[in-house]
Amino acid sequence: EVQLVESGGGLVQPGRSLRLSCAASGFTFDDYAMHWVRQAPGKGLEWVSGISWNSGSIGYADSVKGRFTISRDNAKNSLYLQMNSLRAEDTALYYCAKGLYSGWSPFDYWGQGTLVTVSS
Amino acid sequence: SYVLTQPPSVSVAPGQTARITCGGNNIGSKSVHWYQQKPGQAPVLVVYDDSDRPSGIPERFSGSNSGNTATLTISRVEAGDEADYYCQVWDSSSDHGVFGTGTKVTVL
Repeated sequence: EVQLVESGGGLVQPGRSLRLSCAASGFTFDDYAMHWVRQAPGKGLEWVSGISWNSGSIGYADSVKGRFTISRDNAKNSLYLQMNSLRAEDTALYYCAKGLYSGWSPFDYWGQGTLVTVSS
Repeated sequence: SYVLTQPPSVSVAPGQTARITCGGNNIGSKSVHWYQQKPGQAPVLVVYDDSDRPSGIPERFSGSNSGNTATLTISRVEAGDEADYYCQVWDSSSDHGVFGTGTKVTVL
């Protein structure tokens, strides 16, 4: 059974940093691209960042480029999102999602999310 | 940046057919994916690559894509289909994932 478990969310002040983690199990982690998708309270879904199976291709939404860094450790079956210079508009539930294929593809499994609140 | 537009809401009676549109410039040239999200839950992929269904998704869910509009069709709607639905594509020009604005489906 595929499982994605996010952690690392919490309350943080504007301008500070936070690192999210996603522990994956139930599939061959290094065969698939992985992504972060967020959802602000009461709002729609927003793709944040994605990373290919071997970290060779990485993409970021314009809203986070230059502030967030995605990475993965295939030996640990883990995905990460380093978030710097956080803003109030980064407040959201952050989902870890698995790609259906090795490249950019639909998200076939999602975690339950970790909540990030940016507020003073 | 690429924009996907969905109607905010669709209402349908049980047993009838719901159609949810997703508009985008020449979206017919892209692969469209659809997600269902119920309150307090993570999204679930219901249709991918325009018209394919993941295992476990009922045949009542189908998709089509042509020109500037993609459509998710839910046949024989049930109360359990009440949810928010999002379309999604990959914008190859920017290598970004793009979600539609979302449609709330209400079963009357």
